[in-house]
Amino acid sequence: ETGVTQTPRHLVMGMTNKKSLKCEQHLGHNAMYWYKQSAKKPLELMFVYSLEERVENNSVPSRFSPECPNSSHLFLHLHTLQPEDSALYLCASSQESGTASYEQYFGPGTRLTVT
Amino acid sequence: KQEVTQIPAALSVPEGENLVLNCSFTDSAIYNLQWFRQDPGKGLTSLLLIQSSQREQTSGRLNASLDKSSGRSTLYIAASQPGDSATYLCAVMDSSYKLIFGSGTRLLVRP
Repeated sequence: ETGVTQTPRHLVMGMTNKKSLKCEQHLGHNAMYWYKQSAKKPLELMFVYSLEERVENNSVPSRFSPECPNSSHLFLHLHTLQPEDSALYLCASSQESGTASYEQYFGPGTRLTVT
Repeated sequence: KQEVTQIPAALSVPEGENLVLNCSFTDSAIYNLQWFRQDPGKGLTSLLLIQSSQREQTSGRLNASLDKSSGRSTLYIAASQPGDSATYLCAVMDSSYKLIFGSGTRLLVRP
């Protein structure tokens, strides 16, 4: 257990559905991250939040909408997704962002399938 | 643009063998390099982190080396066990503090 939990662990949704992924960290960290791991591409950074402010949006389509209501919780709201968005979505947290001094701790991921 | 490559993509060895996983990166301007383990359907577990000023790190049967100038790192696993079967990911922290990942090496250790 890394101290980062994600729910749900598996999600199947149609292209017209709206769903949300949830991440919670119990480590007292100030930075949280969303990553996408597709079958055919390396793990890639989507968003970075520091002290509840978005500090990085890595050219992610607007059908992915992150929300960070407090430093312990991070959401990824999904709407009108495409089949190519099927992937493992990983959340991570670290003490701070924008520094090499702190490791990132990863959650177990949500396996998303878009039909 | 930083790119991370891992070779081989997959590896199958009998139990007890020593093995080496390779990672290369295109831009030597990194803050650190990290090796992770990922079990099927699960998140990432950090194994070793090497700061850019360091040459190697050791943890139990694992030893990771870093040659920043040549853009290479190796992960050495001694006396492999079936429980070592997993995907091993290499990641570098680039000059903008982003983690850039390789595609991983899928390891199978046969009993």
